[in-house]
Amino acid sequence: GDSVTQMEGPVTLSEEAFLTINCTYTATGYPSLFWYVQYPGEGLQLLLKATKADDKGSNKGFEATYRKETTSFHLEKGSVQVSDSAVYFCALSEYQNFVFGPGTRLSVLP
Amino acid sequence: DSGVTQTPKHLITATGQRVTLRCSPRSGDLSVYWYQQSLDQGLQFLIQYYNGEERAKGNILERFSAQQFPDLHSELNLSSLELGDSALYFCASSVEGLNTGELFFGEGSRLTVL
Repeated sequence: GDSVTQMEGPVTLSEEAFLTINCTYTATGYPSLFWYVQYPGEGLQLLLKATKADDKGSNKGFEATYRKETTSFHLEKGSVQVSDSAVYFCALSEYQNFVFGPGTRLSVLP
Repeated sequence: DSGVTQTPKHLITATGQRVTLRCSPRSGDLSVYWYQQSLDQGLQFLIQYYNGEERAKGNILERFSAQQFPDLHSELNLSSLELGDSALYFCASSVEGLNTGELFFGEGSRLTVL
């Protein structure tokens, strides 16, 4: 079945550091890919998405490119802020199925 | 504010008891999803309804059941509660039932079983 694998956390960075959170997926067809973010005490909210190969999703300085050849959707940000501290979930949707990765906790220190 | 409303926000109960969690989706959204988030932060898909009908089922225990009513709100019923059922339960909604679009999450109901 479909699955999503992402790097285990926690990830701790200093403010203004470069961020990469790796995400790879397994799917039978052509899924849509998402990154969701969960801030402390809140529900998940969509950060960015891509619906086909080579699409780049971007929002709030975060980017991720749908790489079909490597079945990956890595999340990047050039300069993180303390306010980016949260749990990040990679996810895919295909047919009647929405699958989330285990989440990666990011802590950004001032 | 996602537009998805969940009640109650917090619930403390004892083992063996039964609770009902309620979810009101965003206006116009026909699909409702239920997820369980354990303390180790993993999200477990429980069940999905689309316009009143069960659409997909995940790892939902037999002690748990759900339904979606004609006004599209949904309830998740948890019975014979065990300590391990303590978790954050999220409801999410989307416009379509084909999972191609965005899910909008509520803020969750935190269940503590003592």
